[in-house]
Amino acid sequence: AQTVTQSQPEMSVQEAETVTLSCTYDTSESDYYLFWYKQPPSRQMILVIRQEAYKQQNATENRFSVNFQKAAKSFSLKISDSQLGDAAMYFCAYRSEDGNKLVFGAGTILRVKS
Amino acid sequence: DAGVIQSPRHEVTEMGQEVTLRCKPISGHNSLFWYRQTMMRGLELLIYFNNNVPIDDSGMPEDRFSAKMPNASFSTLKIQPSEPRDSAVYFCASSTRYSPLHFGNGTRLTVT
Repeated sequence: AQTVTQSQPEMSVQEAETVTLSCTYDTSESDYYLFWYKQPPSRQMILVIRQEAYKQQNATENRFSVNFQKAAKSFSLKISDSQLGDAAMYFCAYRSEDGNKLVFGAGTILRVKS
Repeated sequence: DAGVIQSPRHEVTEMGQEVTLRCKPISGHNSLFWYRQTMMRGLELLIYFNNNVPIDDSGMPEDRFSAKMPNASFSTLKIQPSEPRDSAVYFCASSTRYSPLHFGNGTRLTVT
């Protein structure tokens, strides 16, 4: 079974600085999808960024980018120019190629200091 | 597109009562997922449906939990009888095969 590990329970970053959240996963599949979701105190689950395993190019969405290392099974999220509104719980997630299931990591709480 | 709609947003009930949570997925999405979120266990997949058919319910905690999807636009998660340890936030999410999951706003259930 696939597993997702987020080894950082909590991270802090100064406003306008850059922070990287770590995620590793375990799978025997060659094709799959990876996601980062953000959950602010409102408890909404908001999609931040997605990466298809067959794409070598790292996904980027404005201030958010990923470092996808397929061989190492690593999928980190980099947030540049951090803003107060980025403070939230961030979840890394894995979805198999057949589309069934979405496995989440335990989450990382990100605090942004002004 | 109204997104995934869950109701109620909050539910407070007494132990032993029946609880029904409702979900309307995004039109055109053929997969529907029910998750439970707690501090201790994080986000747990309870059950998911493809084309209204339950595919994997191995995450359903016990027989007190049941889920149905009578048509493509509606699903329910029922707990009968409810217990205090069922207190959690329950999320419904929908997707197509290749799209990210779109989540509802969740139902916060408190069982006293």
